[in-house]
Amino acid sequence: GAGVSQSPRYKVTKRGQDVTLRCDPISSHATLYWYQQALGQGPEFLTYFNYEAQPDKSGLPSDRFSAERPEGSISTLTIQRTEQRDSAMYRCASSLRLNEKLFFGSGTQLSVL
Amino acid sequence: SQQGEEDPQALSIQEGENATMNCSYKTSINNLQWYRQNSGRGLVHLILIRSNEREKHSGRLRVTLDTSKKSSSLLITASRAADTASYFCATLLSGGYNKLIFGAGTRLAVHP
Repeated sequence: GAGVSQSPRYKVTKRGQDVTLRCDPISSHATLYWYQQALGQGPEFLTYFNYEAQPDKSGLPSDRFSAERPEGSISTLTIQRTEQRDSAMYRCASSLRLNEKLFFGSGTQLSVL
Repeated sequence: SQQGEEDPQALSIQEGENATMNCSYKTSINNLQWYRQNSGRGLVHLILIRSNEREKHSGRLRVTLDTSKKSSSLLITASRAADTASYFCATLLSGGYNKLIFGAGTRLAVHP
């Protein structure tokens, strides 16, 4: 695609529900990152993929968070049993290869009530 | 935790003035990148400087990197109202970690 696409743009859910966020990176981009950004703060690293491999998931806050990129293209971030503290903007970014500049999507604003 | 810290946290200037933002980091890096974010929207890449480079220019932007002091600066010359945004430095850790870690950002306001 022309840019990084994230869906949904907004997600409101009740505490305890599971949510899945989707990221469609720029085609042919090998690397994909997930970040969490609180209002007024910088993006916090969650995890990244190089093709379908997930070398680093050290930023995932708990085992309720998981991410997949099974075919090395589209990625999903799943949060199980959501909590109010999970409310944030979730941003996806892709790059052509490792160690290069990132192209960010518009993000998914998650609100947990 | 965040590896990079920007200074100042907020900066307010008049159009036409220069704006300088600083970034300090803690551990060895592969490269350092600067991003801009307008009003909570998506982040846009501005410039990338590698650990073996000392200075880079792109239009009205000038970035310096001092690896001995673990610091970088971003200079925006002849600022415009459209430059109003948050600016983040991001460091790519060396050692094969491939993690791009962002700082908390500098909020720049340019007044007409």
